[in-house]
Amino acid sequence: RKEVEQDPGPFNVPEGATVAFNCTYSNSASQSFFWYRQDCRKEPKLLMSVYSSGNEDGRFTAQLNRASQYISLLIRDSKLSDSATYLCAVRGGGFKTIFGAGTRLFVKA
Amino acid sequence: GAVVSQHPSRVICKSGTSVKIECRSLDFQATTMFWYRQFPKKSLMLMATSNEGSKATYEQGVEKDKFLINHASLTLSTLTVTSAHPEDSSFYICSATSGRDYEQYFGPGTRLTVT
Repeated sequence: RKEVEQDPGPFNVPEGATVAFNCTYSNSASQSFFWYRQDCRKEPKLLMSVYSSGNEDGRFTAQLNRASQYISLLIRDSKLSDSATYLCAVRGGGFKTIFGAGTRLFVKA
Repeated sequence: GAVVSQHPSRVICKSGTSVKIECRSLDFQATTMFWYRQFPKKSLMLMATSNEGSKATYEQGVEKDKFLINHASLTLSTLTVTSAHPEDSSFYICSATSGRDYEQYFGPGTRLTVT
């Protein structure tokens, strides 16, 4: 079983749609959780950290369920510029970060 | 935010040659650096963890004699792909942490093509 698993995608949605990304992790000792955005042929950029209490940043909402070892990202009112690959990432001790395979999002006009 | 650079950004080399990739933290001291490899349409795969002044810790399946990592200073780590082959063609990305905050800063990546 992979350490971090994501929906394979791709997701094709119209502008304005709400889209949800899901991620599960296998190591219950994982300490911190993140969503990254990666554009084609670029390095990943941190989108947001994920906390058990849930956190929101504008149109983006992230949630962590430690009991289920599940992480989610919700994008509301999607824009064309949201088209990218979204990577779930899990970090244990020592800053070692493991990434999911990513889910490609295409937002179309 | 903190800046991490990589050099070169793109390199093409012949099969059998060695290629060195540099990762530098420009405005902070990086106690730990990480090297990732990403094949097309695949995720970032952690290759090794590099701590300044000590030997790198390699992930399972990564050949330490083929991928030489040196972290000689708090601002520089190098990855040398020895005797490169076409299957080593990939996007190599480094990241660095200072240990003072919780952030992991990524370099812009190096695209290696082995012909």
